[in-house]
Amino acid sequence: EPEVTQTPSHQVTQMGQEVILRCVPISNHLYFYWYRQILGQKVEFLVSFYNNEISEKSEIFDDQFSVERPDGSNFTLKIRSTKLEDSAMYFCASNNLDLGVAEAFFGQGTRLTVV
Amino acid sequence: GESVGLHLPTLSVQEGDNSIINCAYSNSASDYFIWYKQESGKGPQFIIDIRSNMDKRQGQRVTVLLNKTVKHLSLQIAATQPGDSAVYFCAESYSGNTPLVFGKGTRLSVIA
Repeated sequence: EPEVTQTPSHQVTQMGQEVILRCVPISNHLYFYWYRQILGQKVEFLVSFYNNEISEKSEIFDDQFSVERPDGSNFTLKIRSTKLEDSAMYFCASNNLDLGVAEAFFGQGTRLTVV
Repeated sequence: GESVGLHLPTLSVQEGDNSIINCAYSNSASDYFIWYKQESGKGPQFIIDIRSNMDKRQGQRVTVLLNKTVKHLSLQIAATQPGDSAVYFCAESYSGNTPLVFGKGTRLSVIA
């Protein structure tokens, strides 16, 4: 069964450093998302991406964040200068609304720890 | 603001019993709802979805009920098994085109 894959599974970084979280969405999906989940809290939307551009973003997704689809398979989330409060699980998801696949499939997540 | 919320933060059931997890939503424009299961250290796993033109949908051992009048969504799990122990989230969107808004989650614990 196709799945969304994320790397790394765990990233530890010092405050102020840049991190890049990587995702490989399901191959025939065209809509990509990043969500985050602070420990013990609900999953929160960060950004959606379609047709090589951001289609929607939340208030959390400020200028410190950016997304990119550098090639035909990867989808990345960059945090330029990490803060302690960026520590969370980051989930990538994808779906294909054009094919009527509305349910978003999630990856296993990257646990980001900012120290 | 509009949000999705859950009535019960924790639920403990005996193995073999049926489980019912509830969710209230406030955005009347939402027309697509999903239940996700999240096991410890893993990403949300799709269980079942329902569109607003339906009031009931059944899957394997799971049933989702939608009551648009009171903006209520429930997930029923038949013959609950230890492997069902997880946190369950409901989520909503508009036609699946808008980002999912998740509720806070209900932890289901199955007692063997």
